[in-house]
Amino acid sequence: QKEVEQDPGPLSVPEGAIVSLNCTYSNSAFQYFMWYRQYSRKGPELLMYTYSSGNKEDGRFTAQVDKSSKYISLFIRDSQPSDSATYLCAMRVNNAGNMLTFGGGTRLMVKP
Amino acid sequence: DTAVSQTPKYLVTQMGNDKSIKCEQNLGHDTMYWYKQDSKKFLKIMFSYNNKELIINETVPNRFSPKSPDKAHLNLHINSLELGDSAVYFCASSNIAGGLHEQYFGPGTRLTVT
Repeated sequence: QKEVEQDPGPLSVPEGAIVSLNCTYSNSAFQYFMWYRQYSRKGPELLMYTYSSGNKEDGRFTAQVDKSSKYISLFIRDSQPSDSATYLCAMRVNNAGNMLTFGGGTRLMVKP
Repeated sequence: DTAVSQTPKYLVTQMGNDKSIKCEQNLGHDTMYWYKQDSKKFLKIMFSYNNKELIINETVPNRFSPKSPDKAHLNLHINSLELGDSAVYFCASSNIAGGLHEQYFGPGTRLTVT
């Protein structure tokens, strides 16, 4: 079992839908949680960054962390075709090495 | 201006060859990383350098040797390439001393070993 699990999808939604992307993890020491977006043949691009539990909102994106359930989510409101990409969750423990553990990514397709 | 750049973008080579990939960041970050992304999209850390010192060295064959000539550059040399080395290799950087733990990625180098 991998430390961070993510449904690979693909997840196909119509334009304007609310999208929910999720990751579960097994290491309770993870403290920092990130969501990256990766377009085809490009590098991952940081979307959201959260420390410990709670919610964080940035425009159409909301990140949620539930440490008691070891579950994190990314919500995308009013999804656009330009949101079509692979979304990777990443997390790390609080150490100087800054080593990220990634999920395998969920491929999202937003259809016009 | 490209924040994290890598060369080459594509690399096709034969088994047994030795090749290098170069990475440069102009963000003033103190830490740089190499990741490998396999065909199933899993990104796995290989190495990390902080101020030119190796701080993370995951279970990677010793055919892979990173070198950091200065804080802005981190190169990856691969000896005796094997078919299983085919993947996309990403460089990333972050600023640990500045308290910014977010990692910024380069565009990737797609390595194909035939």
